[in-house]
Amino acid sequence: KAGVTQTPRYLIKTRGQQVTLSCSPISGHRSVSWYQQTPGQGLQFLFEYFSETQRNKGNFPGRFSGRQFSNSRSEMNVSTLELGDSALYLCASSWAETQYFGPGTRLLVL
Amino acid sequence: GEDVEQSLFLSVREGDSSVINCTYTDSSSTYLYWYKQEPGAGLQLLTYIFSNMDMKQDQRLTVLLNKKDKHLSLRIADTQTGDSAIYFCAERGGGADGLTFGKGTHLIIQP
Repeated sequence: KAGVTQTPRYLIKTRGQQVTLSCSPISGHRSVSWYQQTPGQGLQFLFEYFSETQRNKGNFPGRFSGRQFSNSRSEMNVSTLELGDSALYLCASSWAETQYFGPGTRLLVL
Repeated sequence: GEDVEQSLFLSVREGDSSVINCTYTDSSSTYLYWYKQEPGAGLQLLTYIFSNMDMKQDQRLTVLLNKKDKHLSLRIADTQTGDSAIYFCAERGGGADGLTFGKGTHLIIQP
């Protein structure tokens, strides 16, 4: 089976802009989670979607949002970008107790 | 909130065993995981253990869990240069609010 794919792999944006990241889970996986990885804060949970419904949400401001489509693909959106949003955004596809991660989208906010 | 702690660095000689340690605070943890991250890459799931198990072995990897002390370890036998990476310990709590990760242990292999 193909692994988790994330697009784009790299992004450069400026403060105040918005960005949309995409994740395609492993075929047959219905749960998708998003994480933010920064050198200072490490890996932090953003949210989890299952069957198009947000099931859990981490401690992030409302500028961070997401959605899941009927084919299990997921998108996350960050509005009004801040310098501190520069990070590696990782998507994970879940089956039962296991989470498999994609390669991530590296976002740089200038 | 719940916390996961790891040492930042571990240096071992090629061919020796590496033991990476992790402690966690969530007493309702259901599963505990070890992930590997190489430079510029995502996280690779190495192994995981259910909280009612003490040990799990998978080829060169051995996971030990001491639930009473909330201590998890990952032993890599016959460490090779390809094992050089950052290793993350993670736990899934009873509330299932995603995984809580440690800050990662940089494994450095000396020739």
